[in-house]
Amino acid sequence: DAGVTQSPTHLIKTRGQHVTLRCSPISGHKSVSWYQQVLGQGPQFIFQYYEKEERGRGNFPDRFSARQFPNYSSELNVNALLLGDSALYLCASSLSGTSGRGDIQYFGAGTRLSVL
Amino acid sequence: GQNIDQPTEMTATEGAIVQINCTYQTSGFNGLFWYQQHAGEAPTFLSYNVLDGLEEKGRFSSFLSRSKGYSYLLLKELQMKDSASYLCAAAHAGNNRKLIWGLGTSLAVNP
Repeated sequence: DAGVTQSPTHLIKTRGQHVTLRCSPISGHKSVSWYQQVLGQGPQFIFQYYEKEERGRGNFPDRFSARQFPNYSSELNVNALLLGDSALYLCASSLSGTSGRGDIQYFGAGTRLSVL
Repeated sequence: GQNIDQPTEMTATEGAIVQINCTYQTSGFNGLFWYQQHAGEAPTFLSYNVLDGLEEKGRFSSFLSRSKGYSYLLLKELQMKDSASYLCAAAHAGNNRKLIWGLGTSLAVNP
C-alpha cells in the first residue's frame, strides 16, 4: 500500500509569489494535517482537515489556506510568500484525526520550499 | 499554556542505553507520541502512551507519568542507525486534537 505522498518534493519560489502543495493520504485515512518544519526545530501545526471540514488551525497568518477534497487529498496554499516561509512542509494522514492510540499520524516525505 | 521541553542534543556510544526525557504542559491531554526523524526525512512513529507506565517495543520503550507531565524514550543496544532526531508530541484533548511538538532531541551514536 502506498504511504502518504506529497508533491512536489522541492520547490523554489521568489518573494510575493504563490505556492500550492499537494498531499494524498494513505488509503482509508480521512484526516490530513499540515505542518511547517524549519531546520533544527519540531513541526509546527498549520491545519487539520477531516471529512473536508477544517478541524483545527495553528498560529499562521491568513496567507496560509488549505482544503480537502472528496477523495481526502488535500492542498496547502500560501500567498504572498516571504523569505521566512522557507521550510519543509509536511503532510500527515490519520484515520480520524482524533490523535489517540488508534489514530496514529503518518507523515509524507514533505515538500521543501525555498523562497528567494 | 502549552509547552513541550526536551534536551536539544545527546551523545551515546554504540551498544549503550540512552534515555531521552520530555516534559509537557497542555490544557487537556490525550496522550504522548514519540517520533524518529532522520535528517532530510519525514518523522516516523515510534510509540504512543496515554496511561501511566512503561510500554516496551523491541529495543525502544516509552514511559509516561501524567501527574508529573513527564515522559521518556529509552533506547537499548544502540546502533549507529539510531542517530536521528527524536520528537516528543503531546496530543491536545477536545475538538481540536492537534499535536503539540517539541523541538526534537538530536541523538548522535558514536562507535
